[in-house]
Amino acid sequence: DAGVTQSPTHLIKTRGQQVTLRCSPKSGHDTVSWYQQALGQGPQFIFQYYEEEERQRGNFPDRFSGHQFPNYSSELNVNALLLGDSALYLCASLGFGGELFFGEGSRLTVL
Amino acid sequence: QKEVEQDPGPLSVPEGAIVSLNCTYSNSAFQYFMWYRQYSRKGPELLMYTYSSGNKEDGRFTAQVDKSSKYISLFIRDSQPSDSATYLCAQSFSGGYNKLIFGAGTRLAVHP
Repeated sequence: DAGVTQSPTHLIKTRGQQVTLRCSPKSGHDTVSWYQQALGQGPQFIFQYYEEEERQRGNFPDRFSGHQFPNYSSELNVNALLLGDSALYLCASLGFGGELFFGEGSRLTVL
Repeated sequence: QKEVEQDPGPLSVPEGAIVSLNCTYSNSAFQYFMWYRQYSRKGPELLMYTYSSGNKEDGRFTAQVDKSSKYISLFIRDSQPSDSATYLCAQSFSGGYNKLIFGAGTRLAVHP
């Protein structure tokens, strides 16, 4: 049983560019959350998707947007990248008992 | 005041020691408490998931929640070098159905 998978694992962008990160939840999980983890910090909640709709959102600007597909996979898009967007972006799928399982993350470097 | 406070460490212990990791939180409405282990450059791995106050044991790991003092702990018995990682505490109102609020993590090093 595959866990949460994310792609790409690493990427480098320049300021002002746009990036798309992808996530497939664990088999049977229909709810996906995205978190941003800056170096030396704990993850911070960006948003959560269920039934292809954004259900909750954290304190992130509109430059951060997402999408969920009918097969429950999800994308995170970040526009107009800033240096401060450099971080590990984590996708998590929601287990049946409320547990949150994370993927290995996509490490974004903005130059 | 931060919602969750966690000593960043690093905490260095010899192999076989009992490790105590702690967090304090400010919001008394939190009902679910979690501990994650994160190896360098990897995603967080769920270790313990508990509801309300009390203890929960899983192998060498014991999670303890004291809601009256807003204090949660993770104890690791017979620590191993493979336990060397960053340990993150997290709280939420209803598990993963709501956003998790994480501490900054405590770095643990277990030396042979």
